[in-house]
Amino acid sequence: DAKTTQPPSMDCAEGRAANLPCNHSTISGNEYVYWYRQIHSQGPQYIIHGLKNNETNEMASLIITEDRKSSTLILPHATLRDTAVYYCIVSDFMDSNYQLIWGAGTKLIIKP
Amino acid sequence: GAGVSQSPSNKVTEKGKDVELRCDPISGHTALYWYRQSLGQGLEFLIYFQGNSAPDKSGLPSDRFSAERTGGSVSTLTIQRTQQEDSAVYLCASSSQGSNTEAFFGQGTRLTVV
Repeated sequence: DAKTTQPPSMDCAEGRAANLPCNHSTISGNEYVYWYRQIHSQGPQYIIHGLKNNETNEMASLIITEDRKSSTLILPHATLRDTAVYYCIVSDFMDSNYQLIWGAGTKLIIKP
Repeated sequence: GAGVSQSPSNKVTEKGKDVELRCDPISGHTALYWYRQSLGQGLEFLIYFQGNSAPDKSGLPSDRFSAERTGGSVSTLTIQRTQQEDSAVYLCASSSQGSNTEAFFGQGTRLTVV
């Protein structure tokens, strides 16, 4: 079973910030939070990952709560090309945890 | 190459036939992963290669599935005696090392067993 819980779908208006939540209440101390997205008919694309601190890169920001039991991926100015399924995954890539257990993700639809 | 390359992009085969799916990882990446994705579902782990270590085959669904990685680079996933339930997109990914780095995915091979 996936270690994360995400809403199955979300809508966001073009140009607005898209905020995608993820619950990972059983996360362990060594596990990172990873976000990938999958645009229709393509392979998954890495977005961002973090451990404790908030992270930002050219694609998105990742906000992790202090207790690390949940996080939010923020796309600051969503475009139509951001329509995709977004996956939140926890893994420490140590021992056998590289298997990256994937849930069904959140289908984000950006509307004009 | 610039990214992970998979071939063929689409494969239609008859039930009972064997198929081979190929993955060319990013040059220099020591870790290689195979996943399977059914329609509307998340990814299902199949097998993991890391350098010269013995692969982790714990995700392979049956003994009809096998994979090898030659010379630490190209990998082939073989499905023998294909069944209709094998129909899915087979995704390959590679990373520079297994520890907290991003994995780069190929476009996948869409396998349809008729």
